[in-house]
Amino acid sequence: DAGVTQSPTHLIKTRGQQVTLRCSPKSGHDTVSWYQQALGQGPQFIFQYYEEEERQRGNFPDRFSGHQFPNYSSELNVNALLLGDSALYLCASDPGQGLGYTFGSGTRLTVV
Amino acid sequence: GQQVMQIPQYQHVQEGEDFTTYCNSSTTLSNIQWYKQRPGGHPVFLIQLVKSGEVKKQKRLTFQFGEAKKNSSLHITATQTTDVGTYFCAGPPRASNTGKLIFGQGTTLQVKP
Repeated sequence: DAGVTQSPTHLIKTRGQQVTLRCSPKSGHDTVSWYQQALGQGPQFIFQYYEEEERQRGNFPDRFSGHQFPNYSSELNVNALLLGDSALYLCASDPGQGLGYTFGSGTRLTVV
Repeated sequence: GQQVMQIPQYQHVQEGEDFTTYCNSSTTLSNIQWYKQRPGGHPVFLIQLVKSGEVKKQKRLTFQFGEAKKNSSLHITATQTTDVGTYFCAGPPRASNTGKLIFGQGTTLQVKP
């Protein structure tokens, strides 16, 4: 049990469609980060949410947006999907200094 | 921008042999973290190093943080088939306090029984 829950586990979408991915962080963790991991690559930071606000953003276009709810759960939305958006999307929560991120099992998105 | 590079990209070893992966950052890091991702899995946190020259051990795994805090290494002694996976190093951007991590591209370890 990863402690961080993501849904769905797999998703197939068509180019141009929109997708919403969901994440529930580990109990007691109030910070949620989203990463994109293309096949054979390391995870790339999309953005981080804390206290329901986007605290920092990586080099991703505005098609990628997010939200954090009062219960600390989070959503990642991607509009106008491109083939290149096919990847494993990981959610991570951070308990604080020195303990590293706890990642969820991820959502495997395939855009056809 | 800041980059984190890892070498080698792939390593195949016979069970019982040692393995080392190296991580280099283009800028000084406040800390370095290591993660392991099994095939089909998600990254799992192994350790964080903070101090210049720090060395930490976890059973057969030895982690080092360079004196200049720009490089790190992970050494596995007497590999086992359970060590199979991709090992990532990751560090925060300079002056970042948001928890954002920049990951290397990883070293994939295959162990032949």
